[in-house]
Amino acid sequence: ILNVEQSPQSLHVQEGDSTNFTCSFPSSNFYALHWYRWETAKSPEALFVMTLNGDEKKKGRISATLNTKEGYSYLYIKGSQPEDSATYLCASEYGNKLVFGAGTILRVKS
Amino acid sequence: GAGVSQSPRYKVAKRGQDVALRCDPISGHVSLFWYQQALGQGPEFLTYFQNEAQLDKSGLPSDRFFAERPEGSVSTLKIQRTQQEDSAVYLCASSWEGVSTEAFFGQGTRLTVV
Repeated sequence: ILNVEQSPQSLHVQEGDSTNFTCSFPSSNFYALHWYRWETAKSPEALFVMTLNGDEKKKGRISATLNTKEGYSYLYIKGSQPEDSATYLCASEYGNKLVFGAGTILRVKS
Repeated sequence: GAGVSQSPRYKVAKRGQDVALRCDPISGHVSLFWYQQALGQGPEFLTYFQNEAQLDKSGLPSDRFFAERPEGSVSTLKIQRTQQEDSAVYLCASSWEGVSTEAFFGQGTRLTVV
């Protein structure tokens, strides 16, 4: 059974703080790792699709790294803003499907 | 359309009732996925269509769950004789081709079985 784990489960930070969270996945048979941001009452929004070991992607203040050999990915948010408050989901590709972690809930206080 | 549309947004069903959840994918997207998200968990795969063909239904939890996409665009997820454990958010996603291309999600349908 493919098991994707995310930590921490939730995080409360002050506006301006930088933060990061972790996604762990089985390194065998790895194909790609997806990150999504899901704001309340909205659709999950794709942030990154990462495939190569050592890959680093960036979108504004958000960046992600990937280590396929040890099976983890980090998501970083620099200078958190209240609008970054959301659930951040990672998912590993497995056949025809994405296998998701339970998510990290981020709350940014102004 | 501009994005993936799901309806209804909220559905309350009495135990034993049948329900039908609709997904309108982005026009031209070949692939369509259904996921179920229970409270406190990540979305879990239910089924996958490529055009009108249901290529993977390994995630459907029981034979009470049935999905179709007869013309390769709109899809319906039907749940017969709903049970309390079916209460969840049902998410639909579509993509140009397969799971490796970026998937666009709808807002989901929150089903509550009472």
